[in-house]
Amino acid sequence: EAGVVQSPRYKIIEKKQPVAFWCNPISGHNTLYWYRQNLGQGPELLIRYENEEAVDDSQLPKDRFSAERLKGVDSTLKIQPAELGDSAVYLCASSNTANTEAFFGQGTRLTVV
Amino acid sequence: GDSVTQMEGPVTLSEEAFLTINCTYTATGYPSLFWYVQYPGEGLQLLLKATKADDKGSNKGFEATYRKETTSFHLEKGSVQVSDSAVYFCALSRMDSSYKLIFGSGTRLLVRP
Repeated sequence: EAGVVQSPRYKIIEKKQPVAFWCNPISGHNTLYWYRQNLGQGPELLIRYENEEAVDDSQLPKDRFSAERLKGVDSTLKIQPAELGDSAVYLCASSNTANTEAFFGQGTRLTVV
Repeated sequence: GDSVTQMEGPVTLSEEAFLTINCTYTATGYPSLFWYVQYPGEGLQLLLKATKADDKGSNKGFEATYRKETTSFHLEKGSVQVSDSAVYFCALSRMDSSYKLIFGSGTRLLVRP
C-alpha cells in the first residue's frame, strides 16, 4: 500500500516568492494534516482537514498561508509571499479518522533565501 | 497549554547498550501518549503508544509506560542496534483538542558498532 506522498522533496526560493506543496494521502483516509517542523524542533500542526473541510486551522498564518483539499483527497499548501522564517520542513499526514494513527509523508524541505 | 518535554540529544551509545530517553508532559485531562521515530531520509513513523494510565506500549523491543503520577512516558530498550539510530519524538494528543498531536523537540540517538 502506498504511503503519504509529498512533492517536491526540496524547494529553494527567494523571499517574497510564492511556493506550493502537494500531498496525496493514503487512499481512503478522511483526515489530512499539514505540520511544520522547524530545525531542531518537533512538528507543529498548521491545519487539519476532515474530508474537504478545514476543521482546525487556528495555527495557520492566514495572511500568507493558504491550503485547500478539493474533493477531499489531495491537498495543497501555499505560501505567498514567502519569508526567511518560513524555512522548515512541511509534513503532510493522513489518518482514517481523527482518533486513529496518523501516517506521515517524507516532507518537503523549504529553504527561503 | 499542553506541552511535551524530552531530553536533549544527541544520545550516543554503543551497540547492545541500554537506552532510556526521558519524556514528560503537561496536559489537562487524560491524553494519549506516543513515541514516533524518524529514520534518516524517511518520514515520521509511529513506534508505540499508550492511551491510559499504567498502559505499556511496546514495539520492536522498545517499551514505554504511561505514568500519570509522574506525567512521564520514558522510552526504553534493553539492547540497542546500529539500525536504531534515528530521531525519536515523544507526543501527546487529547480528544478535546481534536486529537492534535503535540510533539516534543526530538532526541537524536546514535548507536555505534
